[in-house]
Amino acid sequence: GEDVEQSLFLSVREGDSSVINCTYTDSSSTYLYWYKQEPGAGLQLLTYIFSNMDMKQDQRLTVLLNKKDKHLSLRIADTQTGDSAIYFCAESTTGGFKTIFGAGTRLFVKA
Amino acid sequence: GAVVSQHPSWVICKSGTSVKIECRSLDFQATTMFWYRQFPKQSLMLMATSNEGSKATYEQGVEKDKFLINHASLTLSTLTVTSAHPEDSSFYICSANSVSSYNSPLHFGNGTRLTVT
Repeated sequence: GEDVEQSLFLSVREGDSSVINCTYTDSSSTYLYWYKQEPGAGLQLLTYIFSNMDMKQDQRLTVLLNKKDKHLSLRIADTQTGDSAIYFCAESTTGGFKTIFGAGTRLFVKA
Repeated sequence: GAVVSQHPSWVICKSGTSVKIECRSLDFQATTMFWYRQFPKQSLMLMATSNEGSKATYEQGVEKDKFLINHASLTLSTLTVTSAHPEDSSFYICSANSVSSYNSPLHFGNGTRLTVT
């Protein structure tokens, strides 16, 4: 079945860039998402990319997609302590339906 | 836009009682809403897909008589945990996407932390 994998932890210093990586198995994935979850809260959609795109940038966030390798990354420039959270990678072939989530990467930002 | 409101944000109940959690789409209509359960430091586990005007579709291993789902309108789905026990303590999250934009991403509520004593 479909699977989404991501590393569990990442620690960076404040002001550095963070890169969170994700791999997925479903070659027919059409939509790839990044969600952020702060402690005790639901998931906040950060950004998403269609499979026919290679890159998407939104302020401090840059998403890179390597469709051949089924690899997705999220780069956060100038990481702040407020960026400390869990980041979930997710994929879907049909928009919101049957969205498959990774286990989440816990980002620690050291001041 | 695309705001999903979940209520209550936390609840503590005694073992054997039932708890109802509401999920509302505030500024859009949602034919389908999804209910997830999240254990500490783990990812989301899809429990069921809630369809407006019809029975919910439960994932394998989820007891439908334990977790009652009602989706009476295009803006409201409820999850009732019946005869709750301490092992039901968890973080429950709902999500929805817009009926007018089938391919839109999911938008999530802020979750409900259930503690059963």
